[in-house]
Formats: sequence, C-alpha cells, structure tokens
Amino acid sequence: KAGVTQTPRYLIKTRGQQVTLSCSPISGHRSVSWYQQTPGQGLQFLFEYFSETQRNKGNFPGRFSGRQFSNSRSEMNVSTLELGDSALYLCASSSGRATNYGYTFGSGTRLTVV
Amino acid sequence: TQLLEQSPQFLSIQEGENLTVYCNSSSVFSSLQWYRQEPGEGPVLLVTVVTGGEVKKLKRLTFQFGDARKDSSLHITAAQPGDTGLYLCAGAISWGKLQFGAGTQVVVTP
Repeated sequence: KAGVTQTPRYLIKTRGQQVTLSCSPISGHRSVSWYQQTPGQGLQFLFEYFSETQRNKGNFPGRFSGRQFSNSRSEMNVSTLELGDSALYLCASSSGRATNYGYTFGSGTRLTVV
Repeated sequence: TQLLEQSPQFLSIQEGENLTVYCNSSSVFSSLQWYRQEPGEGPVLLVTVVTGGEVKKLKRLTFQFGDARKDSSLHITAAQPGDTGLYLCAGAISWGKLQFGAGTQVVVTP
C-alpha cells in the first residue's frame, strides 16, 4: 500500500511569509502527527489530529497550526516565518487506536527560511 | 518532561563488528520504539517493545526493553554498511506524541 506522502519536498520562504505543508497518510489511517526536526533540538512533537480533531499538542507557539480533512489528509501552517523555523517537517501516520502502535513517517518537507 | 538519553552519540565501526546503542530514561514509558533514519528521509520504524523485559529479534538486530520499562538497547551483530544511519529511540507518551532521543549516528565501513 502507498506510504505517507508529504508535499512539497523542499520549500524556500522569506522571513515574515507564511507556509502550508501537506500530508496524506496511509489509506485507512485516521491519525496524523507532525514533528519538527532540527540539528540542535532533534525531533519535536507539534500536534496530532484524529478524525479531524486535534487530540494532542506540543509546546510550539500559536504561529504553528494544523488541520485535518474528512479524508484524513492533514495540513500544517506556519505564519510569520522566522529564521529559526528552518527545519525538516515530518508527518507520521497511524491507526490512532492505541498509543503503542508504531508510526509510519513521510519523507518530510525541508523548509528553509531566508 | 520525560527525557530519553541515547548513548553513544556516534559510533564508527568496521563491517563484521558488533555494536550496542543504549536508550535510558528516569520515566516509565508504555512502549519504546526504535527507528532508523537516513539523510533527507523520514525515520523508519524498526520495532516496538511494550512489555518490561521483552526481547525482540529482527535478523541481526536484537532489541531489549528494561524490566522497569525505563530503558532499552539495540544490539547489531556483524554490522554491514547497509546498517549505516541515525538510530532513534522514542517513548510513547500520549496520542500521537513520541519523545525522541537525540539519536546515535552509526557508520559502518567496508
């Protein structure tokens, strides 16, 4: 079955702009989590959506937001971009029925803010 | 905050040697997951361990979960160049939320 698809793979944006990233989970999976990965902080949890509802949230400012559609596809938005937002943004898909199941990650979107 | 400490940060070995990566925490996790990540790609799930004392084998990889469910180890026997990558341990905290360790970069040279 198809894996987790993230688009676009690469993005270059200017400070102050906003950006929208997209994630299509594995067919049948209803949970989508988003992570930010940087060399200094590693992988940090942003938020998780299940059946169009945000079920969990990490410690990121309100500039980071997300949503999930009825087909389980998810988008995350970052407004008023800062240089420090440059990172690899990863989404992870799971059935969402238990916390112990493993996750399938997409290849990520590499965001560079200049 | 439930922190996960991985050691060592970096491992460089020759093909055929064995290696062990450790993942330790002062907190209890309902499960520990191990991932391998290659440059420019997302992490790939290797295994999930749930029960204290559990041992899982995946070909040349052996995973252990500590009795108290606070620590885990990954042992690779007879490493091959294809085992090169960033190994990450992650503890399940709540819905969709994993606490990741900083990772161990493993380099296996022919």
